[in-house]
Amino acid sequence: DAKTTQPTSMDCAEGRAANLPCNHSTISGNEYVYWYRQIHSQGPQYIIHGLKNNETNEMASLIITEDRKSSTLILPHATLRDTAVYYCIVRSRSGGSNYKLTFGKGTLLTVNP
Amino acid sequence: SAVISQKPSRDICQRGTSLTIQCQVDSQVTMMFWYRQQPGQSLTLIATANQGSEATYESGFVIDKFPISRPNLTFSTLTVSNMSPEDSSIYLCSVGKGDYGYTFGSGTRLTVV
Repeated sequence: DAKTTQPTSMDCAEGRAANLPCNHSTISGNEYVYWYRQIHSQGPQYIIHGLKNNETNEMASLIITEDRKSSTLILPHATLRDTAVYYCIVRSRSGGSNYKLTFGKGTLLTVNP
Repeated sequence: SAVISQKPSRDICQRGTSLTIQCQVDSQVTMMFWYRQQPGQSLTLIATANQGSEATYESGFVIDKFPISRPNLTFSTLTVSNMSPEDSSIYLCSVGKGDYGYTFGSGTRLTVV
């Protein structure tokens, strides 16, 4: 799996957009970018994933650069409940749901009142 | 997405004993994954459990220490054997459905004294 690089921590004001960057410069053409988050003492929660097009769902937007070497997760209106560790993970398309996820250290996002 | 029930949610165990963690899924899945999360750390994959065959262990994890059962497509157990304080961690199971997000159990918080 390609490795990812994320900042260790970020702060965001409540109600503002949180933009979490991720570098995955060695990503290959058949690898997805996944984002998960882990709120303290809970299991990781799926947020969004994409291959090369930008994606949006009810939780967040995912912007992937044209060369696919980096991406940004956007939480449009951060709330205190969004305080969590956010993981950017690259995963092969092959194997479907049988393919394991490899977690890095993630970014601790703290949303401040 | 699948719904996972993981038991127990927490336990305090004496060193030298063993604990078996159960993971029940509300639908059939091919692969189930077991992770460990040591205090303050990210998730580390222990093994992948496929129904009807031996589990596949990641580097640094062995079957004698972490035996896994996978009797059917909705259930798996992970045993932490001959425990020491270094085994104090959160243990999580996970499954994937299709090409979309993986679901995680709420975890088992293990403390070895």
